[in-house]
Amino acid sequence: GAGVSQSPSNKVTEKGKDVELRCDPISGHTALYWYRQRLGQGLEFLIYFQGNSAPDKSGLPSDRFSAERTGESVSTLTIQRTQQEDSAVYLCASSLAGVTSYEQYFGPGTRLTVT
Amino acid sequence: KQEVTQIPAALSVPEGENLVLNCSFTDSAIYNLQWFRQDPGKGLTSLLLIQSSQREQTSGRLNASLDKSSGRSTLYIAASQPGDSATYLCAVSSSQNTGFQKLVFGTGTRLLVSP
Repeated sequence: GAGVSQSPSNKVTEKGKDVELRCDPISGHTALYWYRQRLGQGLEFLIYFQGNSAPDKSGLPSDRFSAERTGESVSTLTIQRTQQEDSAVYLCASSLAGVTSYEQYFGPGTRLTVT
Repeated sequence: KQEVTQIPAALSVPEGENLVLNCSFTDSAIYNLQWFRQDPGKGLTSLLLIQSSQREQTSGRLNASLDKSSGRSTLYIAASQPGDSATYLCAVSSSQNTGFQKLVFGTGTRLLVSP
């Protein structure tokens, strides 16, 4: 079946502009995660959604970052007033549930470049 | 705070060699450990998932071991092929009572297998 998809695959934006990144999880997966991968660094957890529960936003680096998810489907990650340090690959993952025994399936990522 | 380290950062080997990638983590109270493969421009592909109660997992030419008490895991790749060239990431699920599988990633080992 279809995997996790993300759009756009690449985004170049000017410093100070807002951007929206989209993630379509695997159908039936109730858990959804956003990660950031900056050049030369490991993946950093940003936010977690589980069904209709309140999201865990503990990884968001600043209040310029926010994310929404409609039920158990599409999620959008919004970065307001982008800064150059926001340049990274943003990866989305989904899993059957948030419990530890389930694998996370990753999308191809969105490469964001802030000029 | 959980920290994950991978050694070496890069590895170049001729085709056919057996090789070992290393991963260490500072907090041994993990739920599971996963090895991923990341190809340029693509998302992460899960290779092996080892639950905390397990010692190893095997899939084809791959074998991953886990020594939770010492905070170490190794990924063994037998008879390496050029198609194995990729970045290999190790990730552990956080021991914090987050209620979900919060992964902490290493920075990866970049593997190049030459024909």
